[in-house]
Amino acid sequence: DTGVSQDPRHKITKRGQNVTFRCDPISEHNRLYWYRQTLGQGPEFLTYFQNEAQLEKSRLLSDRFSAERPKGSFSTLEIQRTEQGDSAMYLCASSLVPKETQYFGPGTRLLVL
Amino acid sequence: DAKTTQPNSMESNEEEPVHLPCNHSTISGTDYIHWYRQLPSQGPEYVIHGLTSNVNNRMASLAIAEDRKSSTLILHRATLRDAAVYYCILRAYNAGNMLTFGGGTRLMVKP
Repeated sequence: DTGVSQDPRHKITKRGQNVTFRCDPISEHNRLYWYRQTLGQGPEFLTYFQNEAQLEKSRLLSDRFSAERPKGSFSTLEIQRTEQGDSAMYLCASSLVPKETQYFGPGTRLLVL
Repeated sequence: DAKTTQPNSMESNEEEPVHLPCNHSTISGTDYIHWYRQLPSQGPEYVIHGLTSNVNNRMASLAIAEDRKSSTLILHRATLRDAAVYYCILRAYNAGNMLTFGGGTRLMVKP
């Protein structure tokens, strides 16, 4: 068990550029979650997958945000046309149904200039 | 998800017990009480969860009031590595699986 990994750990981009983050969950975990955390706040839920199916996406912040988990293993979160307000930590977590515990990765810190 | 209320910050001395309170007066019968913590520059980490009875694990103990309107996370002997933000979260069983984080309690541990 190597834990949840995220790549990259840090990303600096210019406003208007697209960015993509990757999350590798704990192997055999069938649920994968994305959260966003801004400075001084608790994480905010964005979306989650069970295997390759995206079961909840209404919490994605705008249509500039999209996520995929094509083979039910790793996932990507893409932000198109980034804005300065997108600067935050993006966290990924995974769990194994029916167990409730979510295991979080170290996060990707995004800075939009 | 029902709301929780926690103090913004608490201080403790190293090697002393710490009691972190959480109020959840609108808890429903199917809500589990979960605690996660977030160390500096890391993702959140599961600590403990319970429904009605007190729970113990290697990290902490969870004391749940009889009416379930409040709970307390107990760290039996705080170490410097326990300095973190502690989040108390209510989750209905099998309800969508997202975690709704509040502001949490920032625990500072003094040597």
